[in-house]
Amino acid sequence: DAMVIQNPRYQVTQFGKPVTLSCSQTLNHNVMYWYQQKSSQAPKLLFHYYDKDFNNEADTPDNFQSRRPNTSFCFLDIRSPGLGDAAMYLCATSRGGVEDEQFFGPGTRLTVL
Amino acid sequence: GDSVTQMEGPVTLSEEAFLTINCTYTATGYPSLFWYVQYPGEGLQLLLKATKADDKGSNKGFEATYRKETTSFHLEKGSVQVSDSAVYFCALSGSSSGSARQLTFGSGTQLTVLP
Repeated sequence: DAMVIQNPRYQVTQFGKPVTLSCSQTLNHNVMYWYQQKSSQAPKLLFHYYDKDFNNEADTPDNFQSRRPNTSFCFLDIRSPGLGDAAMYLCATSRGGVEDEQFFGPGTRLTVL
Repeated sequence: GDSVTQMEGPVTLSEEAFLTINCTYTATGYPSLFWYVQYPGEGLQLLLKATKADDKGSNKGFEATYRKETTSFHLEKGSVQVSDSAVYFCALSGSSSGSARQLTFGSGTQLTVLP
């Protein structure tokens, strides 16, 4: 089945230690998104790629970076995780049209010690 | 800017009860409207969508109708099951002032169905 895959499902890191989360898709969608979701809140968009074009949200901290080396893969890099960065990180994909829904991966739960 | 307002939760119902979760939106133009569901520890799944006024989206017994005159997209189900317990998010995309590619989410409504 076509899908959005996130690895790992659970990630533990230490305060200040860089961490990378990965996402891959078999849907061949143009757009890939990264969201941060904290407990009992809606997902918050960090950034997205339309093909190779990177679109950063104005309030996304500089501590968060992303890479999309090809259509299928996208990475979220947190350069110096703080305690406040502990959250669920969701990857999603879309064809990018007005009527097109987003397809979400299962998420990576990040714990910062 | 765009916004989505959802009925505050949590909502607790008995099995086979009727469900309504209210959703209203503020947006210019003709956005597409979505309901997503999130089960514990998982990502969001599309439940249903509607892309133009008076369209009705439906899936798994859930329905929602795109009402432009009342800017609403209320979620309904005639008879809920324990397995429907989850968080439900209303969302829109594609308004005149927003990006076609970005979702604006409501705050989410936690539904618990008791046997």
